[in-house]
Amino acid sequence: GQQVMQIPQYQHVQEGEDFTTYCNSSTTLSNIQWYKQRPGGHPVFLIQLVKSGEVKKQKRLTFQFGEAKKNSSLHITATQTTDVGTYFCAGYNNNDMRFGAGTRLTVKP
Amino acid sequence: DAGVIQSPRHEVTEMGQEVTLRCKPISGHDYLFWYRQTMMRGLELLIYFNNNVPIDDSGMPEDRFSAKMPNASFSTLKIQPSEPRDSAVYFCASSLWVGSTEAFFGQGTRLTVV
Repeated sequence: GQQVMQIPQYQHVQEGEDFTTYCNSSTTLSNIQWYKQRPGGHPVFLIQLVKSGEVKKQKRLTFQFGEAKKNSSLHITATQTTDVGTYFCAGYNNNDMRFGAGTRLTVKP
Repeated sequence: DAGVIQSPRHEVTEMGQEVTLRCKPISGHDYLFWYRQTMMRGLELLIYFNNNVPIDDSGMPEDRFSAKMPNASFSTLKIQPSEPRDSAVYFCASSLWVGSTEAFFGQGTRLTVV
């Protein structure tokens, strides 16, 4: 079945540094979603990418969907302490939606 | 809408006891998902329903776990008998469609089995 792998598992950065998490699927995806979970909270939807090569931005966050629709990335420019949490990708294809294991981001002030 | 509502928020039970987790999805959402989150295994999909019908339960760990959705506004996840390794945060989520629209998660139930 479909597998979604996400790396790195953990990332610790100094405030102001950039951060990137990568998501790779074993199969071609119809779309991919990204979620953020704050410590002690629940996953909250950030964005969905559908088109091959699609790039979307939300302020300091940049989301990319690969040309082959098998990988995606989330890049945060100049991290802030409010960015801490776990970032999940979720890949969807054929009525099957799978979450990656998540990347836990910590930011040192 | 108040969002996806889960109860209880916290549950502590003794090994061997039956545990029932409850979920009320967002009204109008046709899909309901149950997830389990642990440090070791991350976020795992246990089962999901479409229009109250279980579609994929391949993530249910074993026969001790069962889930029902008797109507569009209520679902339960039952563990009987519970074991310490079942300790985790259990999330319920709902969405209009599977995968093509965002999933809304409840606050989760933190289960501790001692």
